[in-house]
Amino acid sequence: RKEVEQDPGPFNVPEGATVAFNCTYSNSASQSFFWYRQDCRKEPKLLMSVYSSGNEDGRFTAQLNRASQYISLLIRDSKLSDSATYLCAVNIADAGGKLIFGQGTELSVKP
Amino acid sequence: NAGVTQTPKFRVLKTGQSMTLLCAQDMNHEYMYWYRQDPGMGLRLIHYSVGEGTTAKGEVPDGYNVSRLKKQNFLLGLESAAPSQTSVYFCASSYLPGSNNEQFFGPGTRLTVL
Repeated sequence: RKEVEQDPGPFNVPEGATVAFNCTYSNSASQSFFWYRQDCRKEPKLLMSVYSSGNEDGRFTAQLNRASQYISLLIRDSKLSDSATYLCAVNIADAGGKLIFGQGTELSVKP
Repeated sequence: NAGVTQTPKFRVLKTGQSMTLLCAQDMNHEYMYWYRQDPGMGLRLIHYSVGEGTTAKGEVPDGYNVSRLKKQNFLLGLESAAPSQTSVYFCASSYLPGSNNEQFFGPGTRLTVL
């Protein structure tokens, strides 16, 4: 079993739709959680960190469920520009600050 | 600030050839990382460094070596390239580990080994 797993998709949704991605992690010692966005053939960029109480940034909402060991990302009112691959990342508390990434979920928003 | 830069952007090697990928950051970050990204595999950590003069192995270190002689630079070497090393290589850096560990990525190096 991979340490961090995502549904690879692709998710094909119309503009204005709400879409949710889940990411499960296997190591209960995981400490920090992130969502990165990666556009085609580009580098990943941080979309948002995921806090224990959940957090929101505009149309994006991130949630953490430690008991079930998953994080989620909800995108409301999808835009064409949201089309990208979304990577979840998990940091296990150690001195190296290493992130373990999921394989990414591809989202395609259609007109 | 240029952020994280990588050279070269593209490279084609023959099996058995060697090369060095250069990563440079101008953000005074302590931590630097090398990843490879393959279709359906996500980003996998090759090696990383928690400071100048230190390196450590990641998830997939075999066939690669690294050096961090200067804080701002992190070099990834392939001594004898193999077709299995065809991939996109990303370098990243971060200032702090843990909960503030936003990693900033370079634009990537696309390597093909024939």
